[in-house]
Amino acid sequence: SQQGEEDPQALSIQEGENATMNCSYKTSINNLQWYRQNSGRGLVHLILIRSNEREKHSGRLRVTLDTSKKSSSLLITASRAADTASYFCATVSGSARQLTFGSGTQLTVLP
Amino acid sequence: GAGVSQSPSNKVTEKGKDVELRCDPISGHTALYWYRQSLGQGLEFLIYFQGNSAPDKSGLPSDRFSAERTGGSVSTLTIQRTQQEDSAVYLCASSLIWGRSSYNEQFFGPGTRLTVL
Repeated sequence: SQQGEEDPQALSIQEGENATMNCSYKTSINNLQWYRQNSGRGLVHLILIRSNEREKHSGRLRVTLDTSKKSSSLLITASRAADTASYFCATVSGSARQLTFGSGTQLTVLP
Repeated sequence: GAGVSQSPSNKVTEKGKDVELRCDPISGHTALYWYRQSLGQGLEFLIYFQGNSAPDKSGLPSDRFSAERTGGSVSTLTIQRTQQEDSAVYLCASSLIWGRSSYNEQFFGPGTRLTVL
């Protein structure tokens, strides 16, 4: 079963603009991860934030985590056409090892 | 070495036939996971292997699904008597050993697209 929802389901922006995607989850977590998927195939890990962290940066990516609201956001700054992909948040909870994925956001960056 | 590899990349089968999907994890990764992705259900966990421990099969949708991991490396996911609802992309991932203070990222293969006619 899926952990939660992501919004928006689809986002279309112009190159150079920032893209923000949100993720909500249902249960307490150990960490939350963001993945990117191109063309409906393999996923690529982008960034991991632990439950005791509030914000994390990696290059043009900024992730925030609000455990009180059970939500996270992914900000991609200065977007590029190559950022066009589906983005998924995924959580790890309790003693489980597997990822529980959100529903994903389809990002389209127009050149 | 190389990343996670999966074979075949595409598989078309007839309803009722058995299929085997293969995953080669990254060398040295002791944890291996199977997920599937379908339009209706999104990304779902199927099964998890860690070292010599008993696998976590809690995500397998029915007893038609089974998986094994030989020698702590290659894994095979078997679906018996396939149904049309089994059509999906089956993704394999591997990660380094789980530690108390580490929450390692998972590295995904390109997936096998299964179509059951």
